[in-house]
Amino acid sequence: GAVVSQHPSWVICKSGTSVKIECRSLDFQATTMFWYRQFPKQSLMLMATSNEGSKATYEQGVEKDKFLINHASLTLSTLTVTSAHPEDSSFYICSAIDGTVNQPQHFGDGTRLSIL
Amino acid sequence: AQSVTQPDIHITVSEGASLELRCNYSYGATPYLFWYVQSPGQGLQLLLKYFSGDTLVQGIKGFEAEFKRSQSSFNLRKPSVHWSDAAEYFCAVGSFGNEKLTFGTGTRLTIIP
Repeated sequence: GAVVSQHPSWVICKSGTSVKIECRSLDFQATTMFWYRQFPKQSLMLMATSNEGSKATYEQGVEKDKFLINHASLTLSTLTVTSAHPEDSSFYICSAIDGTVNQPQHFGDGTRLSIL
Repeated sequence: AQSVTQPDIHITVSEGASLELRCNYSYGATPYLFWYVQSPGQGLQLLLKYFSGDTLVQGIKGFEAEFKRSQSSFNLRKPSVHWSDAAEYFCAVGSFGNEKLTFGTGTRLTIIP
């Protein structure tokens, strides 16, 4: 149980395009989803927290207009990297929790984004 | 502010040997502690978690961790490692009512035959 699916797993696109990454909870309802960014050989950096039906809460230093997050349902959150540039290339990982007490975050398999 | 320190960036052990990965935390509230494992190019898999109760917790894949409040530590152990244990290991801390996790910088584990 508690499976989180992330799609796509790998995307390459030209500079200036926008890229959408999906995060789905397959067998539970995710009241809260988190988006992380991970640079090579580094730890996870929390970008934002999204709750279903409300605006995402962004961490300090994360551009909300650059990284658009939508959590339209209890099983789906999307991260859109707008007008992507090479410096946005990274590994993006989502996680989700079901809102019950003492439940850990469940992670997707990540999306490797490469901007040419 | 909360923080997690994993002092060992890289550890190499022989297959069959015992393993201990260190984790120290700094947190104002009662911590919830986690160990996650990440294989290259993959997401994170939960190995084990501590919320309360018995300070020695058992996880998947034969791992265990011990919460020591006096030392602010939550070290991960395995009595005999397998080649498939080679991966990156992350310690994380959170708390009741605070859903966010703070991650350590990770420890890369290499297994030699």
